[in-house]
Amino acid sequence: GESVGLHLPTLSVQEGDNSIINCAYSNSASDYFIWYKQESGKGPQFIIDIRSNMDKRQGQRVTVLLNKTVKHLSLQIAATQPGDSAVYFCAENGDGNKLVFGAGTILRVKS
Amino acid sequence: GAVVSQHPSRVICKSGTSVKIECRSLDFQATTMFWYRQFPKQSLMLMATSNEGSKATYEQGVEKDKFLINHASLTLSTLTVTSAHPEDSSFYICSARDSGAAVNVQFFGPGTRLTVL
Repeated sequence: GESVGLHLPTLSVQEGDNSIINCAYSNSASDYFIWYKQESGKGPQFIIDIRSNMDKRQGQRVTVLLNKTVKHLSLQIAATQPGDSAVYFCAENGDGNKLVFGAGTILRVKS
Repeated sequence: GAVVSQHPSRVICKSGTSVKIECRSLDFQATTMFWYRQFPKQSLMLMATSNEGSKATYEQGVEKDKFLINHASLTLSTLTVTSAHPEDSSFYICSARDSGAAVNVQFFGPGTRLTVL
């Protein structure tokens, strides 16, 4: 990550490299987590989820890691492609079936 | 599967008019839908939870008389922005929770860009 403060953190990676996007969540009692990808002008798109009884889950080119001890969630994208450029949000299960979203991370893929 | 649609995708209206946005779950039933608002380069802000057959639950600071929500069926929720003003210009996104899912996975619509002149 690079930029902080008033702007969303930005992660710039070279095409073909692996990306790791991190998220700190707030509620130690949260039992379910989701990663979403949002492209410009579109709604968030479901990528992968994980329950709190797991610490790792793999999808196609994506892996989510959950560390409950430090309340940390990460999304790993293998062989990052230009089409992966987007804003990535983590979300945790909140009260009343609400989702609590993180601030988001911009992923920029350089060709 | 798990497709959520929104209509319209983009609307421009004059100040003082009302605008209705529809959110539909196309291939699953959703007793609960959610309405969010998103400003540029920011995260999603939950406005309200829409419950099928009952009143919506609004988040603190969201005026229920200004943002009217109706969830008349298991696949449709509507958000009406009443007497819209330029400060209501934003990106409005709905999500639907799959009633048949064991987890609280929400699927999002493509969003509606509202511009109030």
